[in-house]
Parts: sequence; C-alpha cells; structure tokens
Amino acid sequence: AQSVAQPEDQVNVAEGNPLTVKCTYSVSGNPYLFWYVQYPNRGLQFLLKYITGDNLVKGSYGFEAEFNKSQTSFHLKKPSALVSDSALYFCAVSLYPFLTGGGNKLTFGTGTQLKVEL
Amino acid sequence: GAGVSQSPRYKVAKRGQDVALRCDPISGHVSLFWYQQALGQGPEFLTYFQNEAQLDKSGLPSDRFFAERPEGSVSTLKIQRTQQEDSAVYLCASSLKKTTYEQYFGPGTRLTVT
Repeated sequence: AQSVAQPEDQVNVAEGNPLTVKCTYSVSGNPYLFWYVQYPNRGLQFLLKYITGDNLVKGSYGFEAEFNKSQTSFHLKKPSALVSDSALYFCAVSLYPFLTGGGNKLTFGTGTQLKVEL
Repeated sequence: GAGVSQSPRYKVAKRGQDVALRCDPISGHVSLFWYQQALGQGPEFLTYFQNEAQLDKSGLPSDRFFAERPEGSVSTLKIQRTQQEDSAVYLCASSLKKTTYEQYFGPGTRLTVT
C-alpha cells in the first residue's frame, strides 16, 4: 500500500523568502506524485504533478517541486513567497493509475499549513 | 466556467438518520471521485465512477455507504444509519477523461452527526 508523509504541520515564512513544504512517499512501484492547495471554504486546487521525465516540475502560481527517487521525496518549493500563498497544502501519490480501467485514485498526506507573513 | 458543486454545504444529522449528498461535476467530465476528509486529516478515497459505472468502491468504509451516478453526470453519496464516526467533510472531484491526472474538487459537504 502507498502512503505519504508531510512531516510539518505548519510552515512559517516571511514574504519574499523562499519556501519549502516537505513530502515523502512510500510505494511499491513507480510513484505518480501531486500537490494540491486548499483555501478556506474552497475545494482543493491542483498545483502540479510528476509523472515521468525531468525531476523538476513547474506548476501554477510559480510553484515547483523536485522529485528525488533516492530520498523518496517530492518537496514543494517557491523562490519568493507571497502572503496570498498562505493556505493548506497536500501532497498526494497514486500507483498504477488507470490500471484495468480504474481512475487516478489519490492517497493524500495530512497536509501542511503554510503561513506567509509580512 | 462552472466548477464542481456540492450540496448541501453543511448537513447536521442525528445518529441513525440517513443522509444524501449531491455532487454536480464539471459538464462533460467522465471520471468522478468521492473522498472523505476527517478533521485534521487528508482526504481519503471512497469510490470512483467512470461515466455511470462504479469501477472502484474499495474505500467505502461499510455497507452503510452507497454511491450512484445513474446518468453519468450527477452523483449522490448516501449514508444510511449515520454514526458519529461518519462526521467529516465529503469531497467530490471530477476529471475530464478517464486518463486525466488532474482532479477538480468541489467545496465539500461538512457532515456532522450528533
């Protein structure tokens, strides 16, 4: 079975500073990795994904993430944080999506609250 | 354009009552997912539909949970004889094609069982 760990419940960063939100995963095969963001009273929004290829993937709103197979990590990064980036961030993994007609069933971490302060 | 909508947004049920939660996916989206998000936790997969076919219901926690999508668009998640442990936010998500990775989530229905 696959699992995702987000070791930090909360990350605080000053506006303009770089931010990192950590994620590690455990799967028995090749992982498909995702980041979603959740704003209050709104649904989760897709940020980016790693399927195959370049280990550095770029996504929405200036976010990027680096896939590291040896460390089984997929940390979310942004070079310069904005106050508007404050939200709850979820890392997710799927394994063999679409196999035998099934969907891209996601396993989520517990989330990391990002707080960007002036 | 319109996103995924869910209704009601909030539902309070007394233990033992039946509830029905509705999901309107983005028009034309083939895939539809239900997730359960307990307080302070990440969403957990419940079930998956491809059009009207329920292809995966491995995450449904008990036989009190039932989902349907009879015409391949709107879906309903029904919980019979609700228990306190059913209190959670129920999220619906849809994807354009059966092989699309990105899922578009609705705002969720917060169910509180008293």
